[in-house]
Amino acid sequence: EAQVTQNPRYLITVTGKKLTVTCSQNMNHEYMSWYRQDPGLGLRQIYYSMNVEVTDKGDVPEGYKVSRKEKRNFPLILESPSPNQTSLYFCASGRAGGNREQYFGPGTRLTVT
Amino acid sequence: QKEVEQNSGPLSVPEGAIASLNCTYSDRVSQSFFWYRQYSGKSPELIMSIYSNGDKEDGRFTAQLNKASQYVSLLIRDSQPSDSATYLCAVGDNYGQNFVFGPGTRLSVLP
Repeated sequence: EAQVTQNPRYLITVTGKKLTVTCSQNMNHEYMSWYRQDPGLGLRQIYYSMNVEVTDKGDVPEGYKVSRKEKRNFPLILESPSPNQTSLYFCASGRAGGNREQYFGPGTRLTVT
Repeated sequence: QKEVEQNSGPLSVPEGAIASLNCTYSDRVSQSFFWYRQYSGKSPELIMSIYSNGDKEDGRFTAQLNKASQYVSLLIRDSQPSDSATYLCAVGDNYGQNFVFGPGTRLSVLP
């Protein structure tokens, strides 16, 4: 089954404790992206990657890091989480080329206390 | 700051009616436009994509794009209760890399 998977699905952590949210896709997509979704603000793009070793900032990259060492994986790293990073996070992937239709993972609900 | 605006709703329509969802965007060089549906507690699901001016139809859904007016719309014909969800408008930059989503319109289809 073609899918985007994220782990963990739920995470409660404390301020300053480094964490990684994994994202993996089995569709051989070149493009991958991370979003956060907050009430009233919609989905906001954090980082995206056009291919292996190619990443770039989205609209809200502060406090986040990413890496793209393999085509299928695109982990999101919070090196020192803060309460304002409490949010619902989605990973998405899409094909190369101009028609960037994105397919979303199930989401990771993160709470930072 | 690129912006995408949508009426937050809720938009309520009776079953069988046409639901009309609207979206405006600020970046004139935007090249790709998408409608996603999101059920409560679930991830966004792609419904339609449109890239050139005019209408694009897929089953009960029609997307309309007017780049001169910076306006995108989604029509849902013969609305069903299962269409009740939040509809997200997304706009891509001219490279297909950076995407801005609107806040979403909540649609309620009443039986």
